[in-house]
Amino acid sequence: DAGVIQSPRHEVTEMGQEVTLRCKPISGHDYLFWYRQTMMRGLELLIYFNNNVPIDDSGMPEDRFSAKMPNASFSTLKIQPSEPRDSAVYFCASSFSSNQPQHFGDGTRLSIL
Amino acid sequence: QQQVKQSPQSLIVQKGGISIINCAYENTAFDYFPWYQQFPGKGPALLIAIRPDVSEKKEGRFTISFNKSAKQFSLHIMDSQPGDSATYFCAATLRGSRLTFGEGTQLTVNP
Repeated sequence: DAGVIQSPRHEVTEMGQEVTLRCKPISGHDYLFWYRQTMMRGLELLIYFNNNVPIDDSGMPEDRFSAKMPNASFSTLKIQPSEPRDSAVYFCASSFSSNQPQHFGDGTRLSIL
Repeated sequence: QQQVKQSPQSLIVQKGGISIINCAYENTAFDYFPWYQQFPGKGPALLIAIRPDVSEKKEGRFTISFNKSAKQFSLHIMDSQPGDSATYFCAATLRGSRLTFGEGTQLTVNP
């Protein structure tokens, strides 16, 4: 079975540029989560969706961050404009239901110069 | 507010030894406590999980001990192997939605 697929695996871009991270959840999973991992703050939940609808975006750092889920098999996390402090590994995860384990992708390592 | 505190930050164990990682939580409403294992360059992977109505859960060499009154839970890795070297995260969740992670423990098992 294919797991959660994230792209790109690595992204290096200059400050001020728009960055788009992509995620394909496991087929049949109704929940999709976006996390950010840094040395300073560890793993943080940014936002999660249920049936393509954003349920909790309280972890989104600021208005520069936005996430969408146009259909059950695709989600994006966008940063515009990007800043060096956004450098982190961003993970997408999905789960079958709210009380089932979350399965993580291998992440996107983002570096903002 | 850090709702799940994890210790130690790093741990070095000899092959065959027991690795113990501890976590404490604050929110008594948490109802699911998973442990994740993460290798470099990979996402966290679910290792083992427990619900608060059980005091212990064992899967192979991995055991979770849960103390509801103390609001603490721990991961024990028996007969630790070099392949167990990874970062381990405890977590807690309410109704399976928001996972709140501990700070992580970097485990090194020496041959």
